[in-house]
Amino acid sequence: DSGVTQTPKHLITATGQRVTLRCSPRSGDLSVYWYQQSLDQGLQFLIQYYNGEERAKGNILERFSAQQFPDLHSELNLSSLELGDSALYFCASSGNGETQYFGPGTRLLVL
Amino acid sequence: EDQVTQSPEALRLQEGESSSLNCSYTVSGLRGLFWYRQDPGKGPEFLFTLYSAGEEKEKERLKATLTKKESFLHITAPKPEDSATYLCAVQEVSGNTPLVFGKGTRLSVIA
Repeated sequence: DSGVTQTPKHLITATGQRVTLRCSPRSGDLSVYWYQQSLDQGLQFLIQYYNGEERAKGNILERFSAQQFPDLHSELNLSSLELGDSALYFCASSGNGETQYFGPGTRLLVL
Repeated sequence: EDQVTQSPEALRLQEGESSSLNCSYTVSGLRGLFWYRQDPGKGPEFLFTLYSAGEEKEKERLKATLTKKESFLHITAPKPEDSATYLCAVQEVSGNTPLVFGKGTRLSVIA
């Protein structure tokens, strides 16, 4: 158990809908990272937050957004969902800016 | 642009048959190279961090080594429970930045 929690574990929704994925980092970790993993692309970095502030952006679509709250939990919002958004979404946290510990992921299926 | 290439894509071993996985990387300045293990449908599990050429780290049947251009994950006398996908990732020298992942090596160990 990495200490990072993610909810929900599974999500099935329809195209055009909006969903919110939630992540609680390890106790004391200030950095939260979101990654998307699909079969053909591997793990792709989406966005990073550090102590409530956006720190870095990767290949995140404009339809996707995220935030980190004062209690350090983070939410990833995915809107206008398309079939191609079906993937595993992982959150990771880091306390030292180096080693990232991953949560169990949310499996999103868009039908 | 940082790049990480892992080979082979898939590897099938008999129990007890030692082998190595390769991770070659291109990065402007290396802060750290990370190895993770990922079981199907689960989040990546942290194994090792390597910081400089010549460094080695061991954990049970796994040993990771680092040169200036690549890293090897040696698996000695593997067991079926070592079956997983092994992911390699790099972080740039500035630190507290996202990881760039390779696509992984799927290892199957047959009893």
